[in-house]
Amino acid sequence: GAVVSQHPSWVICKSGTSVKIECRSLDFQATTMFWYRQFPKQSLMLMATSNEGSKATYEQGVEKDKFLINHASLTLSTLTVTSAHPEDSSFYICSATPGTGQETQYFGPGTRLLVL
Amino acid sequence: QQQVKQSPQSLIVQKGGISIINCAYENTAFDYFPWYQQFPGKGPALLIAIRPDVSEKKEGRFTISFNKSAKQFSLHIMDSQPGDSATYFCAASMTGGADGLTFGKGTHLIIQP
Repeated sequence: GAVVSQHPSWVICKSGTSVKIECRSLDFQATTMFWYRQFPKQSLMLMATSNEGSKATYEQGVEKDKFLINHASLTLSTLTVTSAHPEDSSFYICSATPGTGQETQYFGPGTRLLVL
Repeated sequence: QQQVKQSPQSLIVQKGGISIINCAYENTAFDYFPWYQQFPGKGPALLIAIRPDVSEKKEGRFTISFNKSAKQFSLHIMDSQPGDSATYFCAASMTGGADGLTFGKGTHLIIQP
């Protein structure tokens, strides 16, 4: 149980294009989903928190107009990197929690983004 | 300001030995402390977690020791195996999980056969 999937697992795009990453909770409803970013051999940094049906809350320093997050249902959140540039190349990982009071975060397998 | 400090950065342990990774936090509002294991190219997987009202928690070969007054917690891996070779992250969060996790910088663990 508690499986989170991400799609795609890796993506290569040209500079200036937009890329959408999906995060799905497969066997539970996720009232809250989180998006993290991880550079090679570094730690995970929280980018934003999204709750179903409401606007995402972004961490300080994360551009909300560049990283668009939509949490349209209890099982799906999407991260769109708009006008991607090489410095956006990274490993993007989502996590989900089953509900209020449930602090365990289940992580997806991650999406490797390479912007050329 | 790094709110969760993790050490060591890397660790080599002989098979069958005990691996110990330490973390210290600054924010006393943190009330949930999980440990995650990550293999290259994969997402983190939850190993074990603890709340501040407990000083120790054990699950199989993994034990968390928690010292609230010192604001420190540690992961002990007993009978370490080559398959335990991975990067381990400690983390902390507030408000019962409604907030995102603040991660330590990670420990690259190598278990030598």
